[in-house]
Amino acid sequence: GAGVSQSPSNKVTEKGKDVELRCDPISGHTALYWYRQSLGQGLEFLIYFQGNSAPDKSGLPSDRFSAERTGGSVSTLTIQRTQQEDSAVYLCASSSGQSGNTIYFGEGSWLTVV
Amino acid sequence: AQKVTQAQTEISVVEKEDVTLDCVYETRDTTYYLFWYKQPPSGELVFLIRRNSFDEQNEISGRYSWNFQKSTSSFNFTITASQVVDSAVYFCALSEASGGYNKLIFGAGTRLAVHP
Repeated sequence: GAGVSQSPSNKVTEKGKDVELRCDPISGHTALYWYRQSLGQGLEFLIYFQGNSAPDKSGLPSDRFSAERTGGSVSTLTIQRTQQEDSAVYLCASSSGQSGNTIYFGEGSWLTVV
Repeated sequence: AQKVTQAQTEISVVEKEDVTLDCVYETRDTTYYLFWYKQPPSGELVFLIRRNSFDEQNEISGRYSWNFQKSTSSFNFTITASQVVDSAVYFCALSEASGGYNKLIFGAGTRLAVHP
């Protein structure tokens, strides 16, 4: 597609429920990133994919968070047993892979846990 | 360790004023990349500029200009003749080449409010 596409754009869920956030990167981009933006925490790196593998998962905050990427394209970020502190904007980004290349961000998925 | 500091939390100016957003970074790498992104109220992060550590030339794009100084580890952003549409949060970010991929470390952001 023309840009990074994320869905849903907004999600309200009850505490304890699982949620899935989807990212469709720019066509041809081999690198895909998830970031989280929450009040007081700024923009935090969560995970990096190169193709379908995730060489850097160091930013995932707990084992309730997982992500996968299939076909070197679409990625899904899953949060299990959501907690109120998971409320944030989850941003997906993609680039052509090498360090220094421009990273393009999607519009984000706004998650609210009530 | 890498770090980006944007000391200005909020800036408020009147339209047509010039405004400079400060960014100071820390890295041990000799090769690195610096970025500025704009986040308008709608929420998306809009790419503005990328600069690599070997290119210290200042850059101008319309009303926007960037001043990169390795000696002071700074990459400041100036908006000339600001407009209301410039109101947004601006983020500076750093990526180290040694990682082999773009793990961006962001500053806390500077919220710019331009008033008519």
